[in-house]
This record gives sequence, C-alpha cells and structure tokens, in this order.
Amino acid sequence: AQSVTQLGSHVSVSEGALVLLRCNYSSSVPPYLFWYVQYPNQGLQLLLKYTSAATLVKGINGFEAEFKKSETSFHLTKPSAHMSDAAEYFCAVRLDSNYQLIWGAGTKLIIKP
Amino acid sequence: GAGVSQSPSNKVTEKGKDVELRCDPISGHTALYWYRQSLGQGLEFLIYFQGNSAPDKSGLPSDRFSAERTGGSVSTLTIQRTQQEDSAVYLCASSPRTGEYGYTFGSGTRLTVV
Repeated sequence: AQSVTQLGSHVSVSEGALVLLRCNYSSSVPPYLFWYVQYPNQGLQLLLKYTSAATLVKGINGFEAEFKKSETSFHLTKPSAHMSDAAEYFCAVRLDSNYQLIWGAGTKLIIKP
Repeated sequence: GAGVSQSPSNKVTEKGKDVELRCDPISGHTALYWYRQSLGQGLEFLIYFQGNSAPDKSGLPSDRFSAERTGGSVSTLTIQRTQQEDSAVYLCASSPRTGEYGYTFGSGTRLTVV
C-alpha cells in the first residue's frame, strides 16, 4: 500500500538558515508526489509536484524538492528561511488505484528571529 | 469559478443542531474531496466524489455525516445533531480526474459547536 511519512511534527530553524523538511514514501510504482503549504487560518496551497519528469523540482517561494528513488524520499528544502515561511507543510503521494492523494501528518515549520 | 469556494467561512452552532457546509469546485474538475482538520491535527479524509461514480464514503466518522454532489458540481456536507467533537475546519478540494496536477483547496469552513 502506498503511504507517506513526514519526519518531525515540528521543525525549528533560524531566519536565514537552511530549511529541510523530510518526506519518505512507499510505492510499488513511480509515484506522483506533492508538497503543500498551509498558512495559519488558510486552506492548503500547492508548493510543488513531482510527476516523473526532472528529479529536482522547483516550486514557489524559493522551495525545491528532490526525488530520490533509491531512498524513497522527496525532501523539501529552501536555502534561506524567511519569517514568512512559518506554516505547516504537508507531503502527499498520489494513489495509483483511484488517483486520490495520501497525506503525511504534516510538519510545522517555526522560524526563529 | 477561478478557485474552490466554500461557504460559510465560519459557522457557530449549538450542540444538537444540523449544519450544512457548501463547496463550489473549480469548473470542469470531476473529482471533489472533503477533509476535516481538527485543531493542531493533520488532514482527515471524509468523502470523495469522482464524476458519476458512487462516492467513497469510507472516511465519514459516523452516520450523522452525509454529503451529496448535485449535477457533478456543487457539494454539500451535512452534519446532523452536531456534537462538540465536530468542531474543526472542514476543507474541500477539487481536481481533474487523474489528479496529476494535485488538488486545489478552498479556504475552509471553521465550525464551532457550543
């Protein structure tokens, strides 16, 4: 069965530091993978997606993620954190059976001044 | 429409009352999803509509919850005899059939049962 695991319910980084949010998936076939961001009191917004093209995917707000098949990972990174990046981030994998998304539990990113 | 629209944005109701939450998906999106997000929690899947197929209701937490989608477009989530534990943000999302573009979410309805 396909699944998604996000390591760390909370990640805290200093402003200007590297952001690394971890996502591992399980899938028997090449997956479609997504990262979403949820700012306080808002819905979820698509950050970026991997759909079997380039393994390094660039998204909005300076975020990017690299698909690594050997590690079954799709970690989200940003070179320099801004205060405005404080939000909750969700990783998801698309089911092959009915195209629904399976969601990770989310990681809350905290930015320290 | 340009995005997924949910109404109302906020709803306060008394315990035991029925509530209806509305979702208007992006025009042409055949798939529609309802999720619940309790305070500080992740996404809890509720129900999934795909075109004219029978909906996947496997996530509905009790028989007090029901949803319908009329004409393949607007959806209504109904909660009967609301309980305090129903307090949460209810999110709706839509997508094209195969989902390769991911979901587009509405801003949610914050339900408070007092």
